[in-house]
Amino acid sequence: QKEVEQDPGPLSVPEGAIVSLNCTYSNSAFQYFMWYRQYSRKGPELLMYTYSSGNKEDGRFTAQVDKSSKYISLFIRDSQPSDSATYLCAMTGASKIIFGSGTRLSIRP
Amino acid sequence: GAGVSQTPSNKVTEKGKYVELRCDPISGHTALYWYRQSLGQGPEFLIYFQGTGAADDSGLPNDRFFAVRPEGSVSTLKIQRTERGDSAVYLCASSFGPSNTGELFFGEGSRLTVL
Repeated sequence: QKEVEQDPGPLSVPEGAIVSLNCTYSNSAFQYFMWYRQYSRKGPELLMYTYSSGNKEDGRFTAQVDKSSKYISLFIRDSQPSDSATYLCAMTGASKIIFGSGTRLSIRP
Repeated sequence: GAGVSQTPSNKVTEKGKYVELRCDPISGHTALYWYRQSLGQGPEFLIYFQGTGAADDSGLPNDRFFAVRPEGSVSTLKIQRTERGDSAVYLCASSFGPSNTGELFFGEGSRLTVL
């Protein structure tokens, strides 16, 4: 079993829809949880990070962490075609950061 | 530089050859990470440097892989006796200090193809 599990998609939604992306994990030592966005043939870029359980909002993006269920989510409101990318969850407890396999998201105009 | 720079951007080599991939991190960033990303997969951790020393090399798949960072800035990932299964994008990332918050800045990667 992988330490971090993420549905690879692809996920296709119409412009303006609310998108929900999720990851589960098995290592209870993880304390920091991140979401990265990766465009084709580019390196990942950090979208949001959250420490421990709770919610964090940044513009159209909301990250949620439920440590009791070992489950994290990213919500995108009013999705735009420019949001089309691969979204990677990531987490760490100490030195190395472990990534999920990524979910390919496509927003249809 | 303004961002993390990786060279070469593309490398094609033959099975059995030796390869070096270079990473130039953001100036002042003390932590440097190497990841490997295969098609359709997320980045797979290889090694993490804090300064000149490898703080965690648990992700290196075998002894054909080695990485150095002699002056605490530029790093080189070295792969000996390359195999077709080594084909992937090798990503380098840096951060300002130990990145418990996960704020890594990635380069665009070096795409390695082993024929």
